[in-house]
Amino acid sequence: DTGVSQDPRHKITKRGQNVTFRCDPISEHNRLYWYRQTLGQGPEFLTYFQNEAQLEKSRLLSDRFSAERPKGSFSTLEIQRTEQGDSAMYLCASSLYSGSDSPLHFGNGTRLTVT
Amino acid sequence: AQSVAQPEDQVNVAEGNPLTVKCTYSVSGNPYLFWYVQYPNRGLQFLLKYITGDNLVKGSYGFEAEFNKSQTSFHLKKPSALVSDSALYFCAVRDPYGNKLVFGAGTILRVKS
Repeated sequence: DTGVSQDPRHKITKRGQNVTFRCDPISEHNRLYWYRQTLGQGPEFLTYFQNEAQLEKSRLLSDRFSAERPKGSFSTLEIQRTEQGDSAMYLCASSLYSGSDSPLHFGNGTRLTVT
Repeated sequence: AQSVAQPEDQVNVAEGNPLTVKCTYSVSGNPYLFWYVQYPNRGLQFLLKYITGDNLVKGSYGFEAEFNKSQTSFHLKKPSALVSDSALYFCAVRDPYGNKLVFGAGTILRVKS
């Protein structure tokens, strides 16, 4: 169990640029989640996948955000035309879904700073 | 919709003393409740969960949590705090008919030696 891996750890970009983050979940986990965390707040749900299917998206996920999980393995989160309000920690989590009691295992996050 | 409230932004406790971090929840149906801990620049680590059964749940690092259905609370406790317990703690709830965790705003725990 190597844990959930996220890349990069930090990303600084200029407003208007596109950015892409990658998440590698724990290998046997079928569910993958993206959350966003801003300073002083708890993580906010963005979207989740079961295998390769994206099953739910939050209203927070504007049209500038897109997530994929090809082949049900790693996932990418892309933000187009970044805005300063996108600055946050983006957290990925995975779980082996066997019921609603399955805990989520989080990666260390990607911290995005939009200048 | 489900929600979680953590009424204290920060809890200060002396090393060796018992600690409590408070959490109340709102959910339709039976709640699935979780506690996570976050250290600086790290992701969240799972501590414990309540699904059903005994109201006192034991978890990692000596932490436990007490579920109280009448008060809709799920307070995190530890009999004897350590300086290394200093971190940010999150309570979360998942509706058994839903598929995501909803987190509280977090409580900073500071344990002083």
